Amino acid sequence: QVTLRESGPTLVKPTQTLTLTCTFSGFSLSTSGMCVSWIRQPPGKALEWLARIDWDDDKYYSTSLETRLTISKDTSKNQVVLTMTNMDPADAGTYFCVRTAFDSWHFDFWGQGTLVTVSS
Amino acid sequence: SYELTQPPSVSVSAGQTARITCTAEVLAKQYAYWYQKRPGQAPFLVIYKDTERPSGIPERFSGSSSGTTVTLTISGVQAEDEGDFHCQTADSSGSVLFGGGTKLTVL
Repeated sequence: QVTLRESGPTLVKPTQTLTLTCTFSGFSLSTSGMCVSWIRQPPGKALEWLARIDWDDDKYYSTSLETRLTISKDTSKNQVVLTMTNMDPADAGTYFCVRTAFDSWHFDFWGQGTLVTVSS
Repeated sequence: SYELTQPPSVSVSAGQTARITCTAEVLAKQYAYWYQKRPGQAPFLVIYKDTERPSGIPERFSGSSSGTTVTLTISGVQAEDEGDFHCQTADSSGSVLFGGGTKLTVL
């Protein structure tokens, strides 16, 4: 059974760095073809893909946010970490950790999401 | 605006058929995927590669594709089908695109 769970702060101040951790089970990021992405959804808005990391440590970023994002993995802990620098109120929303299909870039298992508020 | 265009809302009576469209030039060349999100729950995949249904998804969910438009059809809509539906694709460079989402209301 594949599960993913996001954790991190619920409130960050503008200009601060957000660090989110995804802890997953039911698959391994050391297995060929496994990938994990982060996706967010601002309140009332569409889903937005942010970043992806693959089993071989290849990384992909949204072109609009790549200067602010870093994705990494700890295979031994079954964790993926996303950092986003210089947070702004426009970055508020629910952040999802999602297992991603390697070749088709679709998302087959989702975490529940974690709500992040950006306010001073 | 979003690169994949969905109607903001669709309303149908229970037992009727709901159709949700998603339109974009890229869909003529790339597969579409559909996700359902119920309030307070994680999104989940209901259709992949335009027409395929993951295991565990009821047969009343189906997908179709015609040119630049893909359609999610829910036959015999049930109350539990209420929620937001999102289409998604990826272009040849790996850019992930989502539609704006469609809120399905079951009357």
